[in-house]
Amino acid sequence: KNEVEQSPQNLTAQEGEFITINCSYSVGISALHWLQQHPGGGIVSLFMLSSGKKKHGRLIATINIQEKHSSLHITASHPRDSAVYICAAEPPLGLTFGKGTHLIIQP
Amino acid sequence: EPEVTQTPSHQVTQMGQEVILRCVPISNHLYFYWYRQILGQKVEFLVSFYNNEISEKSEIFDDQFSVERPDGSNFTLKIRSTKLEDSAMYFCASKSRGYEQYFGPGTRLTVT
Repeated sequence: KNEVEQSPQNLTAQEGEFITINCSYSVGISALHWLQQHPGGGIVSLFMLSSGKKKHGRLIATINIQEKHSSLHITASHPRDSAVYICAAEPPLGLTFGKGTHLIIQP
Repeated sequence: EPEVTQTPSHQVTQMGQEVILRCVPISNHLYFYWYRQILGQKVEFLVSFYNNEISEKSEIFDDQFSVERPDGSNFTLKIRSTKLEDSAMYFCASKSRGYEQYFGPGTRLTVT
């Protein structure tokens, strides 16, 4: 069974700050997913990565397979980035989700 | 852009009743999933479906649950005899091999 841990659970920052959210998992995986969940509940996939680093706009995701650790970074954060960010490991069992990081970016 | 759709958006049912949650995955996707999220808790995997059969299921997915792909477009989750603890948001997702999962907007199930 894969245990997925995220930190921090809650993060409040000022607009423009550089944000880092961390994720660790206990068992080898084929892919690590970063997802975004807005207050309405919808889930959007941000990244799927199995090695190295991916960048999309102001979002960067990295993974270290040996250390079983991944990070999500947001550069030049903006209030519209406020959401719950979830990492999820694949496999086993479809996706195994972390509890999420509740991010609030204040203007 | 293609998207996963789910109906209904909100379902209220009485304990013991059967409910069917419906999903229309993205048309060329081959892998289908159901997840649930109890209010305030993390998302949990229920079942995955590929090639017209269940490929994996969690311990949550017991005999009261079933899934079906009745035609080429729909993917359904049936809960036979609902309990209060089945109240949750249920998400459907689909993907192609090797790619990310696309999630539907969810169905909020309330069991009274």
